[in-house]
Amino acid sequence: QSMLTQPPSVSGAPGQRVTISCTGSSSNIGAGFDVHWYQQLPGTAPKVLIYGNNNRPSGVPDRFSGSKSGTSASLAITGLLAEDEADYYCQSYDNSLGARIMIFGAGTKLTVL
Amino acid sequence: QVQLQESGPGLVKPSETLSLTCAVSGGSVSSGSHYWSWVRQPPGKGLEWIGFMYYSESTRYNPSLKSRVTISGGPSKNQFSLKLSSLTTADTAVYYCATEKVTVDPSPLWEWGQGILVTVSS
Repeated sequence: QSMLTQPPSVSGAPGQRVTISCTGSSSNIGAGFDVHWYQQLPGTAPKVLIYGNNNRPSGVPDRFSGSKSGTSASLAITGLLAEDEADYYCQSYDNSLGARIMIFGAGTKLTVL
Repeated sequence: QVQLQESGPGLVKPSETLSLTCAVSGGSVSSGSHYWSWVRQPPGKGLEWIGFMYYSESTRYNPSLKSRVTISGGPSKNQFSLKLSSLTTADTAVYYCATEKVTVDPSPLWEWGQGILVTVSS
């Protein structure tokens, strides 16, 4: 069971906006640790989509945005394209066992209808 | 830019020890500029962080795997390795090596290898 909770799936029509939530706790997101988001296309390694809660690496379209508040974070995708169909993972850190460890959400499958 | 490439067996038997190697180019495992990590993904499931190595000496592991995992530098220069013991079928997964830059705030896993599928089966 992941320390970060994501919805298993979301869907939207082309051009629409979808959001993916990532809910943690006081020992991870709520402790102030940054949240990063990855996009994983079928058969490929994950790629950084958002880092440091709300920053986009060069080359990532501004249709993708991230936010963080309290013990949760969100990824928003506007103007959905067929090529956005992928699995999305949030990642943060947890210190409940005394040392900082990396944790992932279980992933959300985005379907573009 | 750092590039990573995993290598190792694709099939191992239950109870045996898995040994994987990650070859690094464009960076040095002994430079102190990166954390060198392993992440795995069971078929059809999510990502699980296994642990990292720093400066070829310092390590940190996922508590759920700690008793079975060793990450170390080598066997050759600019490589790092993963050993996972007492394998069961639940260890069947794609294993990725990946790297995180050492910064004031924790950075994401910027670079990833292509991944290697390891199947645990008799």
